[in-house]
Amino acid sequence: ELKVEQNPLFLSMQEGKNYTIYCNYSTTSDRLYWYRQDPGKSLESLFVLLSNGAVKQEGRLMASLDTKARLSTLHITAAVHDLSATYFCAVTYFGNEKLTFGTGTRLTIIP
Amino acid sequence: AAGVIQSPRHLIKEKRETATLKCYPIPRHDTVYWYQQGPGQDPQFLISFYEKMQSDKGSIPDRFSAQQFSDYHSELNMSSLELGDSALYFCASSLDRVVAYEQYFGPGTRLTVT
Repeated sequence: ELKVEQNPLFLSMQEGKNYTIYCNYSTTSDRLYWYRQDPGKSLESLFVLLSNGAVKQEGRLMASLDTKARLSTLHITAAVHDLSATYFCAVTYFGNEKLTFGTGTRLTIIP
Repeated sequence: AAGVIQSPRHLIKEKRETATLKCYPIPRHDTVYWYQQGPGQDPQFLISFYEKMQSDKGSIPDRFSAQQFSDYHSELNMSSLELGDSALYFCASSLDRVVAYEQYFGPGTRLTVT
């Protein structure tokens, strides 16, 4: 059974600081996704990582993938209040399109 | 750009009642997925359809059924509702499940069972 774990589950940080969210998965997968979710809202796609060593950046967010370690990271640079949300990673198996989500990280940026 | 449409957005039902959730995928998308997200939980895959045929099944209760119609919209039918069915239900769509990298999520239907 594929398991996806994130840490930390909760993260409270000050504006302007840097931090990293970690996503570990138990079995080899072919794609890793990062989503953002505001309370009661839908899931917004942030990044899709397809291969070992992949790195993608958008604004203050940067995601990377290490398939050998089965680890992805979401790095936040100089956090701003607008980044407060819950962040989920999700993976798919080869030939199987359903998303298996991580536990989520609730990020709160304090002014 | 057109997005995934879900209706209704909010639904309140009593225990043992039935509910029908509808999903209209992005035009030309041929695959639809349903996910359930309980309060404070991560989304859980329920079921998916490709070209109107069920393609995968997850942790969907026997009380639930779903189908995809000829116009590619999908409906999730839920019977004998229980308090634990209260959740956000998301529909997502994608184009060509073999090469598509992304599932685009709808706004969700919030189901409350009282």
